[in-house]
This record gives sequence, C-alpha cells and structure tokens, in this order.
Amino acid sequence: GQNIDQPTEMTATEGAIVQINCTYQTSGFNGLFWYQQHAGEAPTFLSYNVLDGLEEKGRFSSFLSRSKGYSYLLLKELQMKDSASYLCAVVRDDYKLSFGAGTTVTVRA
Amino acid sequence: GAVVSQHPSRVICKSGTSVKIECRSLDFQATTMFWYRQFPKQSLMLMATSNEGSKATYEQGVEKDKFLINHASLTLSTLTVTSAHPEDSSFYICSASPLDEIQETQYFGPGTRLLVL
Repeated sequence: GQNIDQPTEMTATEGAIVQINCTYQTSGFNGLFWYQQHAGEAPTFLSYNVLDGLEEKGRFSSFLSRSKGYSYLLLKELQMKDSASYLCAVVRDDYKLSFGAGTTVTVRA
Repeated sequence: GAVVSQHPSRVICKSGTSVKIECRSLDFQATTMFWYRQFPKQSLMLMATSNEGSKATYEQGVEKDKFLINHASLTLSTLTVTSAHPEDSSFYICSASPLDEIQETQYFGPGTRLLVL
C-alpha cells in the first residue's frame, strides 16, 4: 500500500521561509516529486529527488532521506504568488505516481 | 515545450449522459498517458494508465466499463465517462510521459472540471 503524509495547511509571511514535510511508507520507491498546484489548475513540476540529499533550485530546495522515508520542500523569500497547494508524489515500483493530499500554503503580507 | 492540453476545460451535463474528455500532447510524443481524478481538497488519484495502441490499465476500484479510455495515437488519449452521475463530478487531469525522457516524468494538462446535475 501507499501512505504519504504531509501537513494540510501552513501560513507564513511574505519574505519568510517555509518548510513542508512529507513522510512516506510505500511498497516501492523510485524517486519523489514535488509539484505546485494553484486552485483549479494542473500541477506544475518543482523538483525531483531520487538520491539522498538536498537539491537547490533558486528559491526552492528539496531534500530526501530514503532511509527515513522523508522529504521536505523549502520555500525561501516567500512571495504572494507562492500561495498554492504543494503536492508530494512518490514514484512507485511500476513508475506511476502516488500523491499526498497536498499542503495548502497561504502567504500573508 | 512539453505542453499538454485538455478539452473541454469545463463541462456540465445531465445525469445519465456520457462525456468525453480529450488529452493531447502538443509538442511531443507520449509513450504513456495517465488519467487522474481530484475531489475538492483531496489528492490526485490515479485512475488509469494508457499506452498507445493497447488496452488501458485501471487502478483498483476504478470501473473500466464506466471510464472508457482510448489512446489512438502518440499524442491523443480520450476518457469517456459513461452514464455520468452526480458522484462523478470532479476535476479530471491527464498527464503524458514523453518518449525521450525518463519514464517517471509526467507533464500535466490543465484539467477538466465535470459537473453532473
């Protein structure tokens, strides 16, 4: 089975940093994606981790620990446009994706 | 590059009718296309996987006779919701995996919002 947990909601102030955690227990693992999804729109790719460690890409970074079944997405210098849902998705044994329920991030001025 | 389109973006239909949703990869060929469903404030749930020229593979609990999938070419897949009922109202999203990228890569369409009255 697949069990992917992430917090439901987070709120932060413009310019601040927010860390979204994702823990997973899955029957197989071939990598982990983070996507951003604005309301009523399709998810857009943010990051992909398959090896342990930190991947940095501009204001967004993603970390993976395979032994702990844990990942986080770090959003720095928050902007109002970063208000969205952030989805953690694990690549299964069959290379299909299992998604977490998503974390809604609200950025306040 | 890597653009996926869906049509229609929004559809309202009466209970008992069938609705067809198209998913197209506009600037690449896709080995595989995926269909997801997302209810409000919930995660994307994979419904089925389709490969060009072969039968779709459905996830457990998804009725293949109700959700008909046709993958006629490397750039087009269609999902038909047959005899739709109000509980089928949802956001349907497709994605496509390009031929020339790692198989985990999926590009998502903008989604189709279905409302069954």
